[in-house]
Amino acid sequence: DAGVIQSPRHEVTEMGQEVTLRCKPISGHDYLFWYRQTMMRGLELLIYFNNNVPIDDSGMPEDRFSAKMPNASFSTLKIQPSEPRDSAVYFCASTTGGRRSYEQYFGPGTRLTVT
Amino acid sequence: AQSVTQLDSQVPVFEEAPVELRCNYSSSVSVYLFWYVQYPNQGLQLLLKYLSGSTLVKGINGFEAEFNKSQTSFHLRKPSVHISDTAEYFCAVSRGGFQKLVFGTGTRLLVSP
Repeated sequence: DAGVIQSPRHEVTEMGQEVTLRCKPISGHDYLFWYRQTMMRGLELLIYFNNNVPIDDSGMPEDRFSAKMPNASFSTLKIQPSEPRDSAVYFCASTTGGRRSYEQYFGPGTRLTVT
Repeated sequence: AQSVTQLDSQVPVFEEAPVELRCNYSSSVSVYLFWYVQYPNQGLQLLLKYLSGSTLVKGINGFEAEFNKSQTSFHLRKPSVHISDTAEYFCAVSRGGFQKLVFGTGTRLLVSP
């Protein structure tokens, strides 16, 4: 398996622009997580899905952030409009509840810089 | 709610020396405990996990951790570190039966020759 795939790996954009981050989970995994990592706040869970349905979005910072999972093999995290304080590394992770292993497999991350 | 405390933000150590990275958790219910490692510019990778059974858990790369319920701790140890162990290490907890993880703030392990 190729693991969790994220794109793009790096994104530089100007304040006010829309940013879309993409994630392809491991085939067969039914949970998908979006995290944000910054020096100041560490690793934060933004939202997670089970069987394509959002379960907990309490970590989404504000309405500028939205996440979708239209099917089992694809998810997006969108920021509109972006702000400099959104600069961070965004990780996607997936796991399966079927095996009850609780091991989350992380993607390589997208480094977002908002100028 | 669960929370995780990693007491040391950075641990410097010489190569081939032993190391212990500390993790304490708080929870009123049964928990599952994890250690993840993050190498520079990479995602997190699972080192080991405690779900049930033996309180001494062995993971990859020679790491092990001991679950101590009375002290609510899950410290990570390695008897002899290598330069390649230089990375950030995260302790995490999940409530039994739930997939959501709560991560600690991380401990940066710096191994020097």
